Amino acid sequence: QKEVEQNSGPLSVPEGAIASLNCTYSDRGSQSFFWYRQYSGKSPELIMFIYSNGDKEDGRFTAQLNKASQYVSLLIRDSQPSDSATYLCAVNGDTGNQFYFGTGTSLTVIP
Amino acid sequence: EAQVTQNPRYLITVTGKKLTVTCSQNMNHEYMSWYRQDPGLGLRQIYYSMNVEVTDKGDVPEGYKVSRKEKRNFPLILESPSPNQTSLYFCASKRSGTASPLHFGNGTRLTVT
Repeated sequence: QKEVEQNSGPLSVPEGAIASLNCTYSDRGSQSFFWYRQYSGKSPELIMFIYSNGDKEDGRFTAQLNKASQYVSLLIRDSQPSDSATYLCAVNGDTGNQFYFGTGTSLTVIP
Repeated sequence: EAQVTQNPRYLITVTGKKLTVTCSQNMNHEYMSWYRQDPGLGLRQIYYSMNVEVTDKGDVPEGYKVSRKEKRNFPLILESPSPNQTSLYFCASKRSGTASPLHFGNGTRLTVT
């Protein structure tokens, strides 16, 4: 069973702070890594994806990938109350056809 | 507008009554898939399709059927629903290739009594 692990939280940060979300995965053959945001009762929406070791920045969001440690993270700078949601880490398996999701980390940004 | 459309959004049915949840995408994506989301278990893949007439099982295919007769449509069929199939279902599509992200539909909340 290929696994994706996330801390379920809840993670609470004050408005304007940096929120750090972490994810580990078990399949060393995994090729692509995705972060989705999901509001309660809504569908997941893509924040960003990464497939090379290192950092990838997009606005207030930075994804970090370390394939040797099988670790991927998401940093949210200048957190806003609207960032309060569940964040899902997803991993694309070695064939590219199967996706494995973590159970999500619940983030609350306190005004 | 590029989107994945699922219908219905909400469905309440009884055990054993066959049902179909439709999924359609207008992005000309080759790949489509179905997921169920349950508290504490996250999103789990039911079936996926790499292209027309090509489907394969995901992690939790038991009790479900799919077909891919047209590129844009990928219906999920429950021949004999049971209460343990009560869940939130999402259809998703993407371009082929490992670096392509999934685009999700709005979800179907199914209750089987």
